[in-house]
Amino acid sequence: DVKVTQSSRYLVKRTGEKVFLECVQDMDHENMFWYRQDPGLGLRLIYFSYDVKMKEKGDIPEGYSVSREKKERFSLILESASTNQTSMYLCASTRFYEQYFGPGTRLTVT
Amino acid sequence: DQQVKQNSPSLSVQEGRISILNCDYTNSMFDYFLWYKKYPAEGPTFLISISSIKDKNEDGRFTVFLNKSAKHLSLHIVPSQPGDSAVYFCAASALLGNQFYFGTGTSLTVIP
Repeated sequence: DVKVTQSSRYLVKRTGEKVFLECVQDMDHENMFWYRQDPGLGLRLIYFSYDVKMKEKGDIPEGYSVSREKKERFSLILESASTNQTSMYLCASTRFYEQYFGPGTRLTVT
Repeated sequence: DQQVKQNSPSLSVQEGRISILNCDYTNSMFDYFLWYKKYPAEGPTFLISISSIKDKNEDGRFTVFLNKSAKHLSLHIVPSQPGDSAVYFCAASALLGNQFYFGTGTSLTVIP
């Protein structure tokens, strides 16, 4: 079974803090993705990566950056957290046409 | 611009009856379609998928239908069970799985 893990299930940070969300997959997948999920807006793509050290902007990259130094690990960075970044963050990796998601991180920025 | 749309935010169905969740898309380049199920505070889990070369795919109580000419797909759950209560996301894929587009979700409630 594919396993995608995320470093935290719940996180509370203050405005202006730098926030790191980490995602690890154990199936040697090439493609990894970061989404945020908000009520009524579905899943919106923040960034994705096709390979180590490669990254592509998604639909809402502003205020975020990513890092992929190893194939199994894809990190999302909030450079200076703001209250409008309070959301559920979901990491996914892809095998062929199917995406497999981690459990999500509920981030609250106060 | 939303390329995958789920126009019903919520749906309530009696236990044992059929649940039909609908999804529309605009991009004719999509070649693979997926349904995910999501419980609160958990990540989406893959449910069922269909390639654009098919019009139907069945897996137990779940069947997905694809109407390419109408750019419409639907998920049928029969019989519906209380454990099916969750948010269901429709997704479409292009470029050999390098891009995915999700709908906004439909919250299904199955009433015992």
